[in-house]
Amino acid sequence: GEDVEQSLFLSVREGDSSVINCTYTDSSSTYLYWYKQEPGAGLQLLTYIFSNMDMKQDQRLTVLLNKKDKHLSLRIADTQTGDSAIYFCAERTPYALNFGKGTSLLVTP
Amino acid sequence: EPEVTQTPSHQVTQMGQEVILRCVPISNHLYFYWYRQILGQKVEFLVSFYNNEISEKSEIFDDQFSVERPDGSNFTLKIRSTKLEDSAMYFCASSVSGTKDTQYFGPGTRLTVL
Repeated sequence: GEDVEQSLFLSVREGDSSVINCTYTDSSSTYLYWYKQEPGAGLQLLTYIFSNMDMKQDQRLTVLLNKKDKHLSLRIADTQTGDSAIYFCAERTPYALNFGKGTSLLVTP
Repeated sequence: EPEVTQTPSHQVTQMGQEVILRCVPISNHLYFYWYRQILGQKVEFLVSFYNNEISEKSEIFDDQFSVERPDGSNFTLKIRSTKLEDSAMYFCASSVSGTKDTQYFGPGTRLTVL
């Protein structure tokens, strides 16, 4: 499918907030997802948002959705070294998930 | 917490050989999927499977690929004659109901074709 766009790399200091951005392609996507991939591991579902919502908060995670601009963001508050991983944005297509290339988050002490 | 499991974690094979990648989806899930991730690239959809037949497949899923649910728990991906470009991480996923439901992923099998 068409490309879901993400910045490839983000570096933050421990304790700061991280914001990972994503631009998706299909304005009719009903669900948008954030997955986390730690080194050597699989894809862990972090959170998702339904398209009729603007914001969803889940503990340290906040998802913001701008449907007009097809822009999705994931904010991680009080980022920890254990949050270092690759974060994938994905949109629901009629039959599968369409992923971005992932944003590699590095958290430095 | 139930999870999707995959075996082996790493498979090395010679070009032209057949490989079978195995997955055990979450037990009450009815829809199963295979995705692949070539190193440095995005995760790509291969195929979805429901009620013992393929629901959808991408253009990547050509005649060299097949899927099967040989028993009540396993879900397999077979590559008949592997090519160098099949080297990738292969992820299995499952969901309770159709594609509107959240997909849960396994840890992946890294396939290396020499």
